[in-house]
Parts: sequence; structure tokens; C-alpha cells
Amino acid sequence: EADIYQTPRYLVIGTGKKITLECSQTMGHDKMYWYQQDPGMELHLIHYSYGVNSTEKGDLSSESTVSRIRTEHFPLTLESARPSHTSQYLCASSYPGTGNPSNYGYTFGSGTRLTVV
Amino acid sequence: SQQGEEDPQALSIQEGENATMNCSYKTSINNLQWYRQNSGRGLVHLILIRSNEREKHSGRLRVTLDTSKKSSSLLITASRAADTASYFCATDAVRLGRGSTLGRLYFGRGTQLTVWP
Repeated sequence: EADIYQTPRYLVIGTGKKITLECSQTMGHDKMYWYQQDPGMELHLIHYSYGVNSTEKGDLSSESTVSRIRTEHFPLTLESARPSHTSQYLCASSYPGTGNPSNYGYTFGSGTRLTVV
Repeated sequence: SQQGEEDPQALSIQEGENATMNCSYKTSINNLQWYRQNSGRGLVHLILIRSNEREKHSGRLRVTLDTSKKSSSLLITASRAADTASYFCATDAVRLGRGSTLGRLYFGRGTQLTVWP
């Protein structure tokens, strides 16, 4: 089973609250990603990191921020949650650092389903 | 958009039948990957096919890739009720000007497969 963990699994929170979604992996992967997915829809990349102290915004505009202080940890923070942030957030990692990166698939966590009321 | 587009959007079959899902994409790729997602969960990597490969097998899965048509197919043979899930294709696009090692995937909306006992 995947060695990438997301907490919490479900979160219901009021508008305006600050929240942090946790993601940790034990595989030593260099690359980590955050995707947002609405039911029945495609995944949209919102943030990614290619290593410690490296973070980039993805293709979908997001009001969230991320940090990568340690290889294994890639938390996502929303400073002020809004109902429009209600969605499923998926964390993934890839690439152990050797070989061709194009030969590696992603390992996903189980996701955090966020509801902002 | 580079996103893969799966076809059909939904597929319903009986146990024992084969299931075929198709994926089309728009630009040059390093590889194409197929993932499975059970309802409300994260994605599970099934198979990766590189741009210089034409066919790949893994257990009951068979993937083909036709780069001239920019299309791929996933065949699940002798399907089981446990195969019920959404199946996504994802493309690792060649990024002009920045090389091809960034490993960012672009996902489609998926095919919802239902296998009836």
C-alpha cells in the first residue's frame, strides 16, 4: 500500500478559518504535488515541489500556500477558508532521485475532503 | 490544454466481459499513465507506457499507445465487480524550452466503470 499519508481525512470548517492539510511520504521522493478534484471531474494541479525549499504554483489558481522544509513533508495552508474551497485535495509524490524521472508514476494519498460552511 | 480525454465517460458491463477505455491527448508526451480511483479515495497507479512503446501488459491490463494518433487504450480483461472504479489517463507532456524531466502530469475527467456481478 502507498506510503503517503494525508490528514485529516475529512474536515468541515467555518468560513474565515485558517487550515493546514498535512501530507507526508516515507519513500524519499523528491517531487511532491497537490491536486484539487471536484466530484466526477479531472484533477487540477495547484502546487508542486521538486525538492526541499522548492515550491511552484500549478495550473489552477489557488489561494492556498505550501512549504517544503523537509523532503517528507508538504503541507498546504489556506489562510482564510471560503465555501468555494470546498473540494477534495489530493497529495502525490514521485521520483526517488535516481534514473529517468519520466519512468516513474505518482503515488497518491487517500485525500482530504474539505467542506467549508 | 494537454489534458487527456477519456472515452467513454461511463461504461457498464457484466462480470467476465472485457472493458476498453480510450484516451486522446494533444501534444507530444514522454509517457502516458493510467490510474484507478475508487469512490472518494486517492488514485492508484496502474501502468506507465513510454512514448517509444506501443503495447504493455500488467496482469489483466493491456495498454496500447499510438503516438501518431495521440491516443491510448486500456483494456481490462475478464472484469470483476472489484474493478468498479474511475479510470484516468494522465500524460507527462514534453515541455518545449525546459526539457522533459519535470514529471508534471495532466489528467482527464476519467471513465467511470461499473462491473455488475
